[in-house]
Amino acid sequence: DTEVTQTPKHLVMGMTNKKSLKCEQHMGHRAMYWYKQKAKKPPELMFVYSYEKLSINESVPSRFSPECPNSSLLNLHLHALQPEDSALYLCASRGTGGETQYFGPGTRLLVL
Amino acid sequence: KQEVTQIPAALSVPEGENLVLNCSFTDSAIYNLQWFRQDPGKGLTSLLLIQSSQREQTSGRLNASLDKSSGRSTLYIAASQPGDSATYLCAVKEGYNFNKFYFGSGTKLNVKP
Repeated sequence: DTEVTQTPKHLVMGMTNKKSLKCEQHMGHRAMYWYKQKAKKPPELMFVYSYEKLSINESVPSRFSPECPNSSLLNLHLHALQPEDSALYLCASRGTGGETQYFGPGTRLLVL
Repeated sequence: KQEVTQIPAALSVPEGENLVLNCSFTDSAIYNLQWFRQDPGKGLTSLLLIQSSQREQTSGRLNASLDKSSGRSTLYIAASQPGDSATYLCAVKEGYNFNKFYFGSGTKLNVKP
């Protein structure tokens, strides 16, 4: 099984809402990533977890809060977002010693 | 900081044509380079991965080459089909931080029937 799943597929939220994005993989991968992708742009790295510890935070605003509760699950908690945060949020995972990143289908987020 | 550039930004070809997509990077100290395909509004699908010690990789109609010293990679697609229409992205894995990947801005390919 080389699948990364993400829920929800689509999310609409107001600027005062709190919501969470979820990512799951059962490949035993110990590195998990959050990317943000705006239309017609490449993915931008946000966070990397390695062995359930945050290893990279690319100066992301605190209104985005990542969490890795176990080796299979990665969450992104959203609070007080701005309309410019509307984008496709992609999760990816990579195995230890493995090189290929496997991406999920993404969550399309719209902030009103 | 590593910068990855893809040329052209968009390409339109008739079905059956062979084509080449280009990717260049500024820092040759890479660990590997990966080519992805992305359909509109979807996630990325890995096509080929080339280790820094390798010169090329092949999968079906796809062939990717790597010239690390000159900071270039090409993705060759043989006998293109309408189903190949998508955006193609290359990403380099940094040699210093194994968790960091740098993406190019992609080439949007349209194969006309």
